[in-house]
Amino acid sequence: QQPVQSPQAVILREGEDAVINCSSSKALYSVHWYRQKHGEAPVFLMILLKGGEQKGHEKISASFNEKKQQSSLYLTASQLSYSGTYFCGTSGGSNYKLTFGKGTLLTVNP
Amino acid sequence: DSGVTQTPKHLITATGQRVTLRCSPRSGDLSVYWYQQSLDQGLQFLIQYYNGEERAKGNILERFSAQQFPDLHSELNLSSLELGDSALYFCASSPRGVLNTEAFFGQGTRLTVV
Repeated sequence: QQPVQSPQAVILREGEDAVINCSSSKALYSVHWYRQKHGEAPVFLMILLKGGEQKGHEKISASFNEKKQQSSLYLTASQLSYSGTYFCGTSGGSNYKLTFGKGTLLTVNP
Repeated sequence: DSGVTQTPKHLITATGQRVTLRCSPRSGDLSVYWYQQSLDQGLQFLIQYYNGEERAKGNILERFSAQQFPDLHSELNLSSLELGDSALYFCASSPRGVLNTEAFFGQGTRLTVV
């Protein structure tokens, strides 16, 4: 089951904050966040594990609500380099299947 | 550089043809994942192998098949190609599964079917 991301797109000015949400209809065991620049490979940002552990980026934070089956990615004091498409990926109960949402296009302008 | 190598980077072929995409995972990674990304679409999960065995399957067409070899590299075979198969195909790898570790993506193979 594909996770649902919102919003689909967001435009910011440098220094502004943004929140990207990811929700699933299935129980989540972990949530992955990736950023993809146009035409490039997705790059790992963060993984949030059931139980609260998280590993990843220093300047980007995220939350994981297991009961609501939701995760949010928080981008604070955005930089031009934050522009790209953000994908959340969920593993549900499978250790081998990582299913991604449709992505959120983030544009940071000067 | 993620350490995942995909070849070729670009491929142009005609409808009805068959192509093979190759992926070499990061050193030590046992899992390989294949994804398809069409224009303005998200990452569609195709199939996953762990140490030579298929462990998960997504929305992979019957015309598509994959395998992982003893040296852990993987190949994705696409046959009877249609215009709609034109897409960016990504391979990713991880040490084992993805419940608690990240996957690393290769640079992708851009397939154009004409």
